[in-house]
Amino acid sequence: GAGVSQTPSNKVTEKGKYVELRCDPISGHTALYWYRQSLGQGPEFLIYFQGTGAADDSGLPNDRFFAVRPEGSVSTLKIQRTERGDSAVYLCASSLNSGSRAGELFFGEGSRLTVL
Amino acid sequence: AQSVAQPEDQVNVAEGNPLTVKCTYSVSGNPYLFWYVQYPNRGLQFLLKYITGDNLVKGSYGFEAEFNKSQTSFHLKKPSALVSDSALYFCAVRDASGNTPLVFGKGTRLSVIA
Repeated sequence: GAGVSQTPSNKVTEKGKYVELRCDPISGHTALYWYRQSLGQGPEFLIYFQGTGAADDSGLPNDRFFAVRPEGSVSTLKIQRTERGDSAVYLCASSLNSGSRAGELFFGEGSRLTVL
Repeated sequence: AQSVAQPEDQVNVAEGNPLTVKCTYSVSGNPYLFWYVQYPNRGLQFLLKYITGDNLVKGSYGFEAEFNKSQTSFHLKKPSALVSDSALYFCAVRDASGNTPLVFGKGTRLSVIA
């Protein structure tokens, strides 16, 4: 597609359950980012991929959070044993790392996670 | 560590008046600076960026921003506000020296009143 696609757009789950959120970046974008946005806050960095490898995962809040990008395109953010505090909008973005548009992040519309 | 401060939670301006949304930043090296806008139920959209060169950068929808190194600021401006400019605006920064992630401010809600 033309833009960054995220699924599901909405996910309601119960405390303790496992959740997967998917991101399909813009074709040709080598860099992929996950952010989390809580109500009234700016996006908070979670993890950044360059190709297949996680170049920076310093924003993951704890070991319940994990993300993969096995073929350097689609990425999945995985959250184990969800807690109510994990409720937020999870944003994915992709970018080019060269050329005139280097550094510009293109965001998806987000996956809203609600943990009951 | 890099950080961004947006001191105003809300900015109200009358349609046709100039608007300013403030942003200050902190990085250890040279900054790359960005403004993004978020309309209701929409994803974040890129507005403009400062990488190098002219301190005044122009972006989408008539917005511009001025990089001021001595004041570590990157305020967003528009000469004449439109009601359709009402949205949430985020300033972001990253260090130019390495592959560091973009760090966002908490956002400023702009309300343009007809």
